[in-house]
Amino acid sequence: DAEITQSPRHKITETGRQVTLACHQTWNHNNMFWYRQDLGHGLRLIHYSYGVHDTNKGEVSDGYSVSRSNTEDLPLTLESAASSQTSVYFCASSAPGLAGATGELFFGEGSRLTVL
Amino acid sequence: RKEVEQDPGPFNVPEGATVAFNCTYSNSASQSFFWYRQDCRKEPKLLMSVYSSGNEDGRFTAQLNRASQYISLLIRDSKLSDSATYLCVVNIMTGNQFYFGTGTSLTVIP
Repeated sequence: DAEITQSPRHKITETGRQVTLACHQTWNHNNMFWYRQDLGHGLRLIHYSYGVHDTNKGEVSDGYSVSRSNTEDLPLTLESAASSQTSVYFCASSAPGLAGATGELFFGEGSRLTVL
Repeated sequence: RKEVEQDPGPFNVPEGATVAFNCTYSNSASQSFFWYRQDCRKEPKLLMSVYSSGNEDGRFTAQLNRASQYISLLIRDSKLSDSATYLCVVNIMTGNQFYFGTGTSLTVIP
């Protein structure tokens, strides 16, 4: 069965370290997204990609970067981790839906990051 | 102003009750609408899409009111297994992005 996986599921790091969260999907979806979820804010979009070599900034992109070298993977990198980046991170993918709108989002299980 | 606003609850209802959630969105260019369900510490999963004519899936009914820019979800005959957080999601064609509400917490009590 096709799926979307994230790793690591849990990570504790120190302020200033570089951290990369992996996201791998086997749906062959062109659209991939990274969200963070914090209490009181819901899910907020960090970066997204509509295909290989395409990346775009979302609502809360400062301090994060992504790259898309193939269809399956969209790694999220925190260049210099800050305590404000302690959060749960969800990767998602989608295929185009009806009338050109992106369809259902399929989420990974999440990566819980703690920055000390 | 947030793109999508929901009453966070919590809603605590007895088994068998009917409960309704509302959600408002601010961008009139919004094209697609969804309800997602999220269990504690898990990933969100699609519950149902919301169509202009309204749609029903078993005990769940979703309605869209474009004029007033709100979406509703009605759950009839609540089950213990319905306890979760329900997320209202809006897709805006410009930029083709999904916007999430903060979620409404539901607990169904025996």
